[in-house]
Amino acid sequence: AQRVTQPEKLLSVFKGAPVELKCNYSYSGSPELFWYVQYSRQRLQLLLRHISRESIKGFTADLNKGETSFHLKKPFAQEEDSAMYYCALSGSARQLTFGSGTQLTVLP
Amino acid sequence: KAGVTQTPRYLIKTRGQQVTLSCSPISGHRSVSWYQQTPGQGLQFLFEYFSETQRNKGNFPGRFSGRQFSNSRSEMNVSTLELGDSALYLCASSPASGGLNTQYFGPGTRLTVL
Repeated sequence: AQRVTQPEKLLSVFKGAPVELKCNYSYSGSPELFWYVQYSRQRLQLLLRHISRESIKGFTADLNKGETSFHLKKPFAQEEDSAMYYCALSGSARQLTFGSGTQLTVLP
Repeated sequence: KAGVTQTPRYLIKTRGQQVTLSCSPISGHRSVSWYQQTPGQGLQFLFEYFSETQRNKGNFPGRFSGRQFSNSRSEMNVSTLELGDSALYLCASSPASGGLNTQYFGPGTRLTVL
């Protein structure tokens, strides 16, 4: 079975502060991990995927297989980063399993 | 390209009724996946269709079914509605089958069961 855990439902940081959204997963094989984001009144959209090893909007995420984690980080949060963030995993079942999401609020 | 569209955007039904939701994928996309989103359970995978065939199915009862047409448009049907079926139903399209591909989500259909 595959499972994704996002331990924080709510996270608030001040503008300019570093932010880290935690994601832990449970999967016996080699997973593909994603971060999806939903801004207010917008659709759910892909932010980044671990296989691409890219930085999108200043966000990065590193897959740590030893700790089974895929935390999302940004060194300097901006107010426009306020959104709902979902970590997702795709395993051999070839379907996406989502975490419960973290609502990030960046305070001015 | 136009994004994923879902119709209707809002629905109100009563227990025992059935409902059909529609999803039009991005042009050229052949895979359509459906998800149920609720405050309690979050986003849960329902099923995926690719080239008119169901490729994957989540852990939902048989009351939930779907189909895909030759133009890749997909419909989802829920029969004998229960109060717990109240949710936002999202569909997502991707160029090919499987969760490895980036999924492009529609705005969702908000179903309320009274």
